[in-house]
Amino acid sequence: KNEVEQSPQNLTAQEGEFITINCSYSVGISALHWLQQHPGGGIVSLFMLSSGKKKHGRLIATINIQEKHSSLHITASHPRDSAVYICAVRSSGTDKLIFGTGTRLQVFP
Amino acid sequence: DAGVIQSPRHEVTEMGQEVTLRCKPISGHDYLFWYRQTMMRGLELLIYFNNNVPIDDSGMPEDRFSAKMPNASFSTLKIQPSEPRDSAVYFCASRAPGLAGGDTQYFGPGTRLTVL
Repeated sequence: KNEVEQSPQNLTAQEGEFITINCSYSVGISALHWLQQHPGGGIVSLFMLSSGKKKHGRLIATINIQEKHSSLHITASHPRDSAVYICAVRSSGTDKLIFGTGTRLQVFP
Repeated sequence: DAGVIQSPRHEVTEMGQEVTLRCKPISGHDYLFWYRQTMMRGLELLIYFNNNVPIDDSGMPEDRFSAKMPNASFSTLKIQPSEPRDSAVYFCASRAPGLAGGDTQYFGPGTRLTVL
């Protein structure tokens, strides 16, 4: 079993829909990251969370440390949100990131 | 700031050849990470450095892979000899020091390696 699991693996949506991507992990962590990888391949960090909730524009990330679960929400989705979203955790006591396998999101106009 | 710079962006080589990938981290960052991304396994950490010193190389697949960081502004990942299963996108990322720098890693554009 992977230490970081994401669901769903693939997601399609119509423009304007509310999107949720889930991430569960099985190790102790000091932080959780959400990354975005566009079709061109570049990887950008969206959020780093150690507790609670963060919001940036139409993106919201939450984490529940007790349940070892995080969600990434996209409100009013747009075709430009089409990308692979990757959850990664930083194991406690290390600087290493462990990655989920990613969620491929396609938003159609 | 130019961000993390990687070269080459694309590399096609034949099995058995030596391949060298290069990375220039963001100035002032003291952590440097090398990752490999494949369709089958996703993103995997190969090795990371702190202040030019290798800290964890447990992800390096085998002795054919080696990485160096001779100074704060340059790192190399070398594969010798290369094999077709090494075909992947290799990313370099850097991170600022300490708690003040946060935990965010800044990724380079990647090197797409194809070994024929």
